Amino acid sequence: EAQVTQNPRYLITVTGKKLTVTCSQNMNHEYMSWYRQDPGLGLRQIYYSMNVEVTDKGDVPEGYKVSRKEKRNFPLILESPSPNQTSLYFCASKGSSSYNEQFFGPGTRLTVL
Amino acid sequence: EDQVTQSPEALRLQEGESSSLNCSYTVSGLRGLFWYRQDPGKGPEFLFTLYSAGEEKEKERLKATLTKKESFLHITAPKPEDSATYLCAVRSELIFGTGTLLAVQP
Repeated sequence: EAQVTQNPRYLITVTGKKLTVTCSQNMNHEYMSWYRQDPGLGLRQIYYSMNVEVTDKGDVPEGYKVSRKEKRNFPLILESPSPNQTSLYFCASKGSSSYNEQFFGPGTRLTVL
Repeated sequence: EDQVTQSPEALRLQEGESSSLNCSYTVSGLRGLFWYRQDPGKGPEFLFTLYSAGEEKEKERLKATLTKKESFLHITAPKPEDSATYLCAVRSELIFGTGTLLAVQP
């Protein structure tokens, strides 16, 4: 089954404790991205990757890091989480064309205390 | 600056009562307008891509249309299972509107 998976699905942590949210896709997609979703603000892009070893900032990259060492994986790293990073996070992937639709993962709900 | 505005924020319909959702956009060089459906606690699910003004696409009770400034998602004779948040977005990196929360009551 074609899918995007994320782990963990739920995470409660404390300020300053480094964490990684993993994302994996099995569709051989070149493009992968991370979004956060907040009430009243909608979905906003954090980082994206056009292909292996190519990453770029989205609209809200502050406080986040990413890496793309393999085509299928695109982890999101929060080196020193803060309460304002409490949010619902989605990973997505798509083929290389601008018109390709993005396939979203199930989401990771993160709470930073 | 690219921008997407959706209206209304929320819409409550009776089963069978048709209506339309609006998505207004400003973008430098449209490369597709995308509609997604999102159920509570889940990731957005792709519905349609519209490529140019005048284009229309249909799927079951949904029909999406596109002009140079806005897109409409028409819902004909909705059922309770159509209840969800409907999102529109522009650009391949997806600049989203904040969505319309649709509730269809039996």
